[in-house]
This record gives sequence, structure tokens and C-alpha cells, in this order.
Amino acid sequence: DVKVTQSSRYLVKRTGEKVFLECVQDMDHENMFWYRQDPGLGLRLIYFSYDVKMKEKGDIPEGYSVSREKKERFSLILESASTNQTSMYLCATRDRVKWELFFGEGSRLTVL
Amino acid sequence: AQSVAQPEDQVNVAEGNPLTVKCTYSVSGNPYLFWYVQYPNRGLQFLLKYITGDNLVKGSYGFEAEFNKSQTSFHLKKPSALVSDSALYFCAVRAIPNTGFQKLVFGTGTRLLVSP
Repeated sequence: DVKVTQSSRYLVKRTGEKVFLECVQDMDHENMFWYRQDPGLGLRLIYFSYDVKMKEKGDIPEGYSVSREKKERFSLILESASTNQTSMYLCATRDRVKWELFFGEGSRLTVL
Repeated sequence: AQSVAQPEDQVNVAEGNPLTVKCTYSVSGNPYLFWYVQYPNRGLQFLLKYITGDNLVKGSYGFEAEFNKSQTSFHLKKPSALVSDSALYFCAVRAIPNTGFQKLVFGTGTRLLVSP
């Protein structure tokens, strides 16, 4: 089974802090994604990566950056957290052939 | 724009009754369509997908979905609901931009509540 591990399930940060959300997968998938989930808005794509050191902006990249130094790890960075970034963050990896996404358990971030 | 719509925020059904969760799509070309389920405080889990072939697709936990090209719909169904089916359900479609990388676009989700 594919395992996608998000390092923190719950975080509480203060406005202006730098926040790192880590995601590690064990299936050697090339494609990795960061989504945020908000009630009534569904999942919105923040950034994705299709290979090491490669990244593409999704639909809502403002206020975020990402890092993919190794194939198995994809990090989401909030350079200066704001209250409107309070959300559930979901990491996913994709099997390139099957076109199925495999999700982590999510990281619920609260910015005070 | 390529998108999916889930017209119902919530669906209520009694245990043992059939259930339907609706999804319509808008996409250029042949659609790849997906259903995912999310249990409380968990990530999303893949249920089933349609890429090509039979219009009736069978998936995990007894769920199935019917692809209807003329109505641009991909409704999720189950003949007999269980209380444990209560969860948040997301429909998704593969979006093919004019340039760049293909991605999945998700609907806003439908909460299914199955009462005993």
C-alpha cells in the first residue's frame, strides 16, 4: 500500500511565523501535490511537483512556496503565516499510470 | 473552465435504503472522473474512477458510479446504505489545460448522513 505521511496532524502558529509542512511518500511516485481544504470550497490546489526540484503553481499559490529536494519529500512553506491560511492541508502523491491520488491524513493548521 | 459540480451539500438516507450522490462535469475531451471519500479528520481515500469502457463503474465498499455522457454526469450510488458510509464525498475530474501539467479538479463535496 502507498503510504503518504504528513509530519504534523495539528499545528497552532502565530501570525507572521514561518511554517513548514512536511510530506513523505514511500512509493517512488514522481508527482506530488499540496491542497488546502476549506468548508464549502472543496480542495484547492496550491502547488505540485512532477519531479525532484521541479514545481508548478496550482490555483492558489499566493502566500506559499514549496521545496522538493528529494523524490520522496515535498514540503509546503508559509513564509509569513496569516489568519486566512488557517485550514486543513492535504498532501497527495499520484501514480502516473493509474491516475489515482493517494492522500496523507492531513495537517490542520490554525494561525492566531 | 473545466470543473465538476456537486449540487447537494448534504444527502440524508436511512440505513438499508439506496443512496445517490450527484456529480456533473464540464471538461473538454474525454473525461477522467473520480470519486473520493473522506472520513472525519482523515485524508481522502480513492473509491472509483471512470476513464473508458463500461458506463457503470464498480468501486470499493460496494459503491458504484454511472457515467452518462449526454447528461455530463457521474453519480455515485450504493444499493443499500450503511451507517458507516456517513462521510464527505468528493467528485473530481482530470483537467487538461491548454499548456502545462494535467491535474485533478475537485468538487465542493457532499456530506452523506446515514441514519440507523
